[in-house]
Amino acid sequence: EADIYQTPRYLVIGTGKKITLECSQTMGHDKMYWYQQDPGMELHLIHYSYGVNSTEKGDLSSESTVSRIRTEHFPLTLESARPSHTSQYLCASSEHGATYNEQFFGPGTRLTVL
Amino acid sequence: KNEVEQSPQNLTAQEGEFITINCSYSVGISALHWLQQHPGGGIVSLFMLSSGKKKHGRLIATINIQEKHSSLHITASHPRDSAVYICAVSRNDKIIFGKGTRLHILP
Repeated sequence: EADIYQTPRYLVIGTGKKITLECSQTMGHDKMYWYQQDPGMELHLIHYSYGVNSTEKGDLSSESTVSRIRTEHFPLTLESARPSHTSQYLCASSEHGATYNEQFFGPGTRLTVL
Repeated sequence: KNEVEQSPQNLTAQEGEFITINCSYSVGISALHWLQQHPGGGIVSLFMLSSGKKKHGRLIATINIQEKHSSLHITASHPRDSAVYICAVSRNDKIIFGKGTRLHILP
């Protein structure tokens, strides 16, 4: 069983609020990822990190930001939430240097912005 | 056209049936993944393969690199197998996901 955690699991919030979605892993993985998934659609990579102080934007443009101050922690922040941000956000991690990139996923945060 | 295509998009079958889900991709890859996503949203990695065939319990995954095609088979299907099955490929240090196949097994 993967040791990767996300909080909160569900969040309903009003427009304009600042939110932070938490993701942490205890496997010592260097690589971490954030994906966005709309209902019935595929996952899209929005952010990733190769290690501490490394952050990169993914394939899907996102207004969110991320930070990687500690290996085990990769929080995602929305400064001003909007209804268009309503989606599921999944965090994942993998070992650095693992050629095949097997990723371990957290349970996801389902965000609803009213 | 998506780089990873799955078929069928939706599949309903009776308990006990043999299930096949197909995945085709159009890019060079280092590995192919099969993932399972339950209604709660969590994703579990089922297989990661770069050639041949792998088996785990009632699940079998095969890949044909020349044809850029993979299949996931479920033998003796059970209602608890109901989930979305996602094919994904590793390419250039990233993973590209298919849209998934929604499987519903009726008791």
